[in-house]
Amino acid sequence: DQQVKQNSPSLSVQEGRISILNCDYTNSMFDYFLWYKKYPAEGPTFLISISSIKDKNEDGRFTVFLNKSAKHLSLHIVPSQPGDSAVYFCAAAPGDNFNKFYFGSGTKLNVKP
Amino acid sequence: NAGVMQNPRHLVRRRGQEARLRCSPMKGHSHVYWYRQLPEEGLKFMVYLQKENIIDESGMPKERFSAEFPKEGPSILRIQQVVRGDSAAYFCASSPSSPGNYGYTFGSGTRLTVV
Repeated sequence: DQQVKQNSPSLSVQEGRISILNCDYTNSMFDYFLWYKKYPAEGPTFLISISSIKDKNEDGRFTVFLNKSAKHLSLHIVPSQPGDSAVYFCAAAPGDNFNKFYFGSGTKLNVKP
Repeated sequence: NAGVMQNPRHLVRRRGQEARLRCSPMKGHSHVYWYRQLPEEGLKFMVYLQKENIIDESGMPKERFSAEFPKEGPSILRIQQVVRGDSAAYFCASSPSSPGNYGYTFGSGTRLTVV
């Protein structure tokens, strides 16, 4: 039972343009949402998060948007850089258990120079 | 400034053998988490431990898998009598307390191959 879904396995974007990665979830109890970035042969690294009391969080080139009614979140990267090429995972946790995150299957982003 | 250290990076076991995966959390972190990533899938929660205590093992298979985080030394994920379906990347993460909005710090993983 996949509670967090990333329906696009891959995305290709030109350098300097915007990358938009999408994530859908089914569990209305999820309160915290995170994005992780993963390079090959490395562990995921935390990128940005958002709690359900907000609908937007921004950190430099990265912005996460949350639409609770649609159970949808997205990560915007602008401008995209070749070093952003990686697999991006979204993850979610319910408000009563921040210790257990549910991950999507990832989207592989390729930023072309 | 060591992060979360996992060893070995790669482990090959024959069916029926035991696999032991080690994880040393970041300095000052007392919460340890194990996740498994099967090919082409996301990470799936296995277990959450604090020193000498298993807090949540709801993601652990009922048989053959066990985890510990002793008072001294690394956390160990142990898989007995491995089968081909156990082949995966196993990631350990740690946090100083409940990760909440800041997530975990992950190690680089152990890639287990069962032949």
